[in-house]
Amino acid sequence: GQNIDQPTEMTATEGAIVQINCTYQTSGFNGLFWYQQHAGEAPTFLSYNVLDGLEEKGRFSSFLSRSKGYSYLLLKELQMKDSASYLCAGVDSNYQLIWGAGTKLIIKP
Amino acid sequence: NAGVTQTPKFQVLKTGQSMTLQCAQDMNHEYMSWYRQDPGMGLRLIHYSVGAGITDQGEVPNGYNVSRSTTEDFPLRLLSAAPSQTSVYFCASSPRVSGANVLTFGAGSRLTVL
Repeated sequence: GQNIDQPTEMTATEGAIVQINCTYQTSGFNGLFWYQQHAGEAPTFLSYNVLDGLEEKGRFSSFLSRSKGYSYLLLKELQMKDSASYLCAGVDSNYQLIWGAGTKLIIKP
Repeated sequence: NAGVTQTPKFQVLKTGQSMTLQCAQDMNHEYMSWYRQDPGMGLRLIHYSVGAGITDQGEVPNGYNVSRSTTEDFPLRLLSAAPSQTSVYFCASSPRVSGANVLTFGAGSRLTVL
């Protein structure tokens, strides 16, 4: 079956670094998305990886290992506004999205 | 540009009532979709459309109908509401129907069925 696993909740300190992991099992693989969702709001796009390696975008970076079925989102210099849920979604062979349940990130001062 | 607009934001229904959630996008996107989001679960696809006049079922289509008479609009109809349909509903669109495309989401509609 197809499955996306990510931790339910993580806590980090303002100014620190946090890594949110995502493991996936999909029928075929056409990339992996990360979305950010603040409470009560819509998900918004953060990153898309289809090749192995790290992609950096300001304070946020996303990593993919296709051989391990693994991705992570790295957030640096955490700010209070980074408190949100982070959704991982794999793209299967039919280009359908398989969504994880999301990781709620709590930032403490 | 407004992006993806959903109405209403909040709705309370009684079991057995019907209603329509409206979704409109002004980006000329080909692909439109409806998801539901429930606590502890990933987004689940209800129905989607790859163009005007073309719709298809997603993972959880039962109890819902859709139509796509124009490129801009993609309403979701609940035929006879049930408590199990209490959820937050998101409409999302993307420019193309092929490949892995970034979705633009509406603000969501929170539905409670009593």
